[in-house]
Amino acid sequence: QSALTQPASVSGSPGQSITISCIGTTSDVGRYDFVSWYQQHPGKAPKVMIYDVSSRPSGVSNRFSGSKSGNTASLTISGLQAEDEADYYCTSYTSINTQVFGGGTKVTVL
Amino acid sequence: QMQLEQSGAEVKKTGSSVKVSCKASGDTFTYRYVHWVRQAPGRPLEWMGWITPFNGDTNYAQKFRDRVTITRDMSRVMAYMEVTSLRSEDTAMYYCASGSEVWGHFDSWGQGTLVTVSS
Repeated sequence: QSALTQPASVSGSPGQSITISCIGTTSDVGRYDFVSWYQQHPGKAPKVMIYDVSSRPSGVSNRFSGSKSGNTASLTISGLQAEDEADYYCTSYTSINTQVFGGGTKVTVL
Repeated sequence: QMQLEQSGAEVKKTGSSVKVSCKASGDTFTYRYVHWVRQAPGRPLEWMGWITPFNGDTNYAQKFRDRVTITRDMSRVMAYMEVTSLRSEDTAMYYCASGSEVWGHFDSWGQGTLVTVSS
């Protein structure tokens, strides 16, 4: 199972919106609505920001939103803030009953 | 939601084995899924496998099928992840994480266990 494809880095100025893509296949992202997004700050454990493509856990800012079209899932961060600077990873459930992560995207707030 | 507490850092020799533990509290351990995820220095997260404590069923990423074993001890409310034939490339932070469905997200994470492999 190959890793999902994410851009290595995305940047934006405070207040702007950015979108991170996550490209999979018909065996994972394209087949199931079980895509999650995780935020990881340096030296910390990941934290779920979006699950089931577009659901947001309690306590996560509504500036974070998710969507999916075909084999590509996306995470949008609106009203970018300094605290959003972190690494972001997508995951998907797969047809062989496993999970697979994306390669990660470093978000920089300019 | 579940709280997960992992065992401490390990330093191992090339070719040896390491077993990392993950103790659960705060929620029903039996019917959740415990996943293991690793992250080598400067590298992305990598999903390794899962276990369901209910019946001990497991599944692994193809890459880890030969050298990784995930087990559980219901009496201790613990999950374990063992890696054999350690190589320098296995130097990484290893996390346990939990979710309510095998296809679901990881809503609880352990603090991570650093495993360092050297010759």
